Amino acid sequence: EAQVTQNPRYLITVTGKKLTVTCSQNMNHEYMSWYRQDPGLGLRQIYYSMNVEVTDKGDVPEGYKVSRKEKRNFPLILESPSPNQTSLYFCASRKAGGPRYTQYFGPGTRLTVL
Amino acid sequence: DAKTTQPPSMDCAEGRAANLPCNHSTISGNEYVYWYRQIHSQGPQYIIHGLKNNETNEMASLIITEDRKSSTLILPHATLRDTAVYYCIVRVDSGGSNYKLTFGKGTLLTVNP
Repeated sequence: EAQVTQNPRYLITVTGKKLTVTCSQNMNHEYMSWYRQDPGLGLRQIYYSMNVEVTDKGDVPEGYKVSRKEKRNFPLILESPSPNQTSLYFCASRKAGGPRYTQYFGPGTRLTVL
Repeated sequence: DAKTTQPPSMDCAEGRAANLPCNHSTISGNEYVYWYRQIHSQGPQYIIHGLKNNETNEMASLIITEDRKSSTLILPHATLRDTAVYYCIVRVDSGGSNYKLTFGKGTLLTVNP
């Protein structure tokens, strides 16, 4: 089954404790992206990657890092989480090459930073 | 990307057609109309997209007006599981670009038994 998976689905942590949220897709998609969703603010893009070893900042990259060493994986790293990073996070992927290809979203990771 | 306007909420009876409108009066010639939905805190789910012709798939139909300034998403036989926030998104899409989707507030569709 074609899908985007994220782990963990739920995470409660404390300020400053480094964490990684994993994202994996099995569709051989070139493009991957991370979003966060907050009440009243909609989905905002954090980082994106057009292919292996190619990443770039989205609209709200501060406090986050990403890497794209393999085509299927795009982990989101919070080196020193803070309470304002409490949010619902979504990973998405898409095949490159034009508008007929749509984005597939993962199930979400609900992060709480105390 | 052109701005879209959707009603904040709509109700529909189970088994009836749900017609969700979207205004995009500033749309340009190469911008596509996409519809996604999000069922309570789950990942957004693609529904359908189109440029200027009407489109239909197994989930829904998309009707785009001739001047392309508005569109309507039609769920032909709404079920309780179709209760969700529906997002209409307009954007240009070209190879090599960041395929960021900008989600507005959307329309909360509530399907009632």
